Amino acid sequence: AQSVTQPDIHITVSEGASLELRCNYSYGATPYLFWYVQSPGQGLQLLLKYFSGDTLVQGIKGFEAEFKRSQSSFNLRKPSVHWSDAAEYFCAVGAHDSGYSTLTFGKGTMLLVSP
Amino acid sequence: DVKVTQSSRYLVKRTGEKVFLECVQDMDHENMFWYRQDPGLGLRLIYFSYDVKMKEKGDIPEGYSVSREKKERFSLILESASTNQTSMYLCASSRAGSGANVLTFGAGSRLTVL
Repeated sequence: AQSVTQPDIHITVSEGASLELRCNYSYGATPYLFWYVQSPGQGLQLLLKYFSGDTLVQGIKGFEAEFKRSQSSFNLRKPSVHWSDAAEYFCAVGAHDSGYSTLTFGKGTMLLVSP
Repeated sequence: DVKVTQSSRYLVKRTGEKVFLECVQDMDHENMFWYRQDPGLGLRLIYFSYDVKMKEKGDIPEGYSVSREKKERFSLILESASTNQTSMYLCASSRAGSGANVLTFGAGSRLTVL
């Protein structure tokens, strides 16, 4: 069975500083990997996804993530954080396409942005 | 834009009541999902459906049932609500085939059971 670990429950970053959110996954084959963001009181919005090919993927809002097979990781990065980035971030892993395979989510990392 | 609409954003129910949570998507997606979100536990899959009248149990189906009579609508049913079902419920949908795993979420329904 697939699983996702997000080691950091909370992270505080100063506005303008760089950000890295960690994600480790467990899956027997090449996974589908996702990062979603949830603003307070809202549903989840897709930031970026990795299916195959280039291991560095670009997403919306200036985010990027790098797939490292050797480390089973898919860390999310942003070079300069804005106050509006304060939200909860979820990493997710999916099995290869079977038409209706499901996603397994990590427990989330809450990002706080200080002035 | 794909839209997934959850009709009730906030509900307050009493223990033992029957609760219906409705979800409608407007992009002709084959797959629909119900997740439960709790602090510190992330999202956990309750049920999903890959076709009309089809349903599959997720990780935590106990105490819940679902109904999918039309392609665009997926309902979550709590037959007899209990306080431990107080939670945020998120509906999502996706296409079948390539890209099946890209989920689009609704805004959520926050249920409080007293």
